[in-house]
Amino acid sequence: QITLKESGPTLVKPTQTLTLTCTFSGFSLTTYGVGVGWIRQPPGMALEWLALIYWDDDQRYSPCLSNRLTITKDAYNNQVVLSMTNMDPVDTATYYCGYTIGTSKTAWYPTWFDPWGQGTLVTVSS
Amino acid sequence: QSALTQPPSASGSPGQSVTISCSGTSRDVGTYNYVSWYQQHPGKAPKLMIYEVSKRPSGVPDRFSGSKSGNTASLTVSGLQAEDEADYYCSSYAGRNNYVFGTGTKVTVL
Repeated sequence: QITLKESGPTLVKPTQTLTLTCTFSGFSLTTYGVGVGWIRQPPGMALEWLALIYWDDDQRYSPCLSNRLTITKDAYNNQVVLSMTNMDPVDTATYYCGYTIGTSKTAWYPTWFDPWGQGTLVTVSS
Repeated sequence: QSALTQPPSASGSPGQSVTISCSGTSRDVGTYNYVSWYQQHPGKAPKLMIYEVSKRPSGVPDRFSGSKSGNTASLTVSGLQAEDEADYYCSSYAGRNNYVFGTGTKVTVL
């Protein structure tokens, strides 16, 4: 059974850097094709894909936020870390991580995530 | 990034069918067969219901079906049940550099 769980601060100040950790079980991030991504959802609003990292350390980022995001992995400790710089109140959202299997047919950009973690709400406020 | 367009709401009585549209462009839905649909109950994480336009993951009831015509994808829920009341989001691979979600549709079971 694949499970993922997000952890990190619930409150950050504007201009600070947010660091979130996704801890997973039930799969290995050393297996060909396997990836873990991050998606966020502001309160009452739609989902937005942020970033994705694969078994081979290949990374993909949303073009809108690529200059603020860094995704890394520690496959042996079953963790993926997302960093987002220069946080702003509009970044207030529930942040989810999700499991995927990529394909070269989409240049390894995501096509689905399943399952997702429970999400963690991050509020940006001074 | 441009989101895919969905109707804000849809509804149906128990046992009826409801269809949700997901309008994209030739840069995403119209070109690629990588449309997915997610169900999200209040306060819960999204759950994958359909991938690659019409494929159902293991465990998803066959009451859920997906299709695509031109730049618009659709999710149909047949035989509506109370537990189907939720928000539904479509998503699509959008060419190099992007993966986009829809604006979301709230489905109400009357």
